Amino acid sequence: DGGITQSPKYLFRKEGQNVTLSCEQNLNHDAMYWYRQDPGQGLRLIYYSQIVNDFQKGDIAEGYSVSREKKESFPLTVTSAQKNPTAFYLCASSPRVVYNEQFFGPGTRLTVL
Amino acid sequence: KNEVEQSPQNLTAQEGEFITINCSYSVGISALHWLQQHPGGGIVSLFMLSSGKKKHGRLIATINIQEKHSSLHITASHPRDSAVYICAVSASYGKLTFGQGTILTVHP
Repeated sequence: DGGITQSPKYLFRKEGQNVTLSCEQNLNHDAMYWYRQDPGQGLRLIYYSQIVNDFQKGDIAEGYSVSREKKESFPLTVTSAQKNPTAFYLCASSPRVVYNEQFFGPGTRLTVL
Repeated sequence: KNEVEQSPQNLTAQEGEFITINCSYSVGISALHWLQQHPGGGIVSLFMLSSGKKKHGRLIATINIQEKHSSLHITASHPRDSAVYICAVSASYGKLTFGQGTILTVHP
């Protein structure tokens, strides 16, 4: 089955610790995205990548970092510099960045204690 | 003012009712997307459209480019339609800008 996987579904971390969220896709898509969702707000773009070894900041990149060493993988690290890291994080992919439907993973709910 | 505005924010209906969710946007777009998010959090893309109308089962999406407005209709609503419906627009480089979502609850 083709799709996007994110693990784990729920993640708990202590304040001050870095944490990495995984996102894997086997759809052979070039573009991948990370979004953050907070209650009462629309999804906001953190980072996106159009191709391997390339990525661009989105609207709220501060306190986050990413890598794209493989086409199928786009991990997101939430660093201790992110002031309010508790949120629902969604990964998505699309065949190309421009004018394409995006396919979403199931999401990871991160709680920082 | 948000670039993408949805109305209503909350919608409650009885099973069988016809439902309309509206989306207005203020930027030039290449496409408009309607997404569905279930309580577990996963998001499914329902429609991507740049003009006219699309239909899939009981769901219909329309867009008026001149008025910068789109509607999502659900005919013969069912409790399993209960979800958050999200409007998003593609502007530059395919980046999506999202509305806040409409929470739909359909009672049996």
